[in-house]
Amino acid sequence: EVQLVESGGGLVQPGRSLKLSCAASGFTFSNYYMAWVRQAPKKGLEWVATISTSGSRTYYPDSVKGRFTISRDNAKSSLYLQMNSLKSEDTATYYCARHDGSYIRGWFAYWGQGTLVTVSS
Amino acid sequence: DTVLTQSPALAVSPGERVSISCRASEGVNSYMHWYQQKPGQQPKLLIYKASNLASGVPARFSGSGSGTDFTLTIDPVEADDTATYFCQQSWNDPWTFGGGTKLELK
Repeated sequence: EVQLVESGGGLVQPGRSLKLSCAASGFTFSNYYMAWVRQAPKKGLEWVATISTSGSRTYYPDSVKGRFTISRDNAKSSLYLQMNSLKSEDTATYYCARHDGSYIRGWFAYWGQGTLVTVSS
Repeated sequence: DTVLTQSPALAVSPGERVSISCRASEGVNSYMHWYQQKPGQQPKLLIYKASNLASGVPARFSGSGSGTDFTLTIDPVEADDTATYFCQQSWNDPWTFGGGTKLELK
């Protein structure tokens, strides 16, 4: 059974940093692109970052480019999101998701339960 | 960015057929996917690449469309289908989601 378990969320002040983690199990982690998707309270979904199987390629939307960094440790079956210079608009539940299908043009086949990040003074 | 437009809400009776639409501001080929999200839960993949049923999803769910106009159909609707449904495209960078359609049962 595919399992994705996020951790690391919490309350953080604007301008500070936070690192999220996602522990994966139930599949061969190194074979899949992985992603982070977020959802602001009572709002829709927003793709945040994607990383290739080896970690050599990363992709971001402009809203987080230069502030967020996605990384992975295939030996530990773990995915990470380093978030710097946080803003109030980054407040959201952050989901770890497995990409299936055509590499970067894939879809989010499995999702974790999410971890809540609140950016506030 | 590719904007995906969905109707905010729909109300149907159990046993009926419902179609949820998603219109893209530019072509996305067949790279449109559908997710179901129940309150307090993570999204769940229903349909990938416009018309392919995800593993374990009941055959009551189906998808159609290409280019800019896509539809998710549930037939027949059951009480457990109360949820918000999101479309998402992965053809144009950045990948974007629709605003979601909240399905309520009468």
